[in-house]
Amino acid sequence: QQQVKQSPQSLIVQKGGISIINCAYENTAFDYFPWYQQFPGKGPALLIAIRPDVSEKKEGRFTISFNKSAKQFSLHIMDSQPGDSATYFCAARFTGNNRKLIWGLGTSLAVNP
Amino acid sequence: DTEVTQTPKHLVMGMTNKKSLKCEQHMGHRAMYWYKQKAKKPPELMFVYSYEKLSINESVPSRFSPECPNSSLLNLHLHALQPEDSALYLCASSLSGGETQYFGPGTRLLVL
Repeated sequence: QQQVKQSPQSLIVQKGGISIINCAYENTAFDYFPWYQQFPGKGPALLIAIRPDVSEKKEGRFTISFNKSAKQFSLHIMDSQPGDSATYFCAARFTGNNRKLIWGLGTSLAVNP
Repeated sequence: DTEVTQTPKHLVMGMTNKKSLKCEQHMGHRAMYWYKQKAKKPPELMFVYSYEKLSINESVPSRFSPECPNSSLLNLHLHALQPEDSALYLCASSLSGGETQYFGPGTRLLVL
């Protein structure tokens, strides 16, 4: 049972365009929603994260939009660059002592020059 | 210093070998994690150590044996692995109860 559903599986965007990746969750016991970026042969790196009491968070070209009632959150990459080509994972963290991260299946982003 | 280091970068082992993976961080984090990642898949949690004690074991086979000698070091001992265990093994750390997990570059393991 996939508790965090991520789409699309892959995405091709032209340089300068907007990349949008969506995630939806089912469990309300999540209290933290990070996005990780992973380049081939590297470990995931935190890109940006949001808590459910905030509807939007922006850091440079990266924005998370969060819709608590719809249980959805999305990553927008503005002015996409070839260097943004990577795999992006959304995740959600359980509250309580467990605090385990539940990961989406990932989106492979290719930004064409 | 926000770095998690892992050694070795690559490892090839036979099914009868014994080997160990090593992870180190000097950020003062008290939670450390082992993940397994297959190609084009998200990381799968294996173990979590909190204050040097094993707090989560995700039903990992006993051929994987974690060890946390001190607050900066995390080892994963491997014995009698199977070819399907070939994967990228990632170590991560976070402040105890902290939200952000910092990942190392991983060890690429191939079991022949």
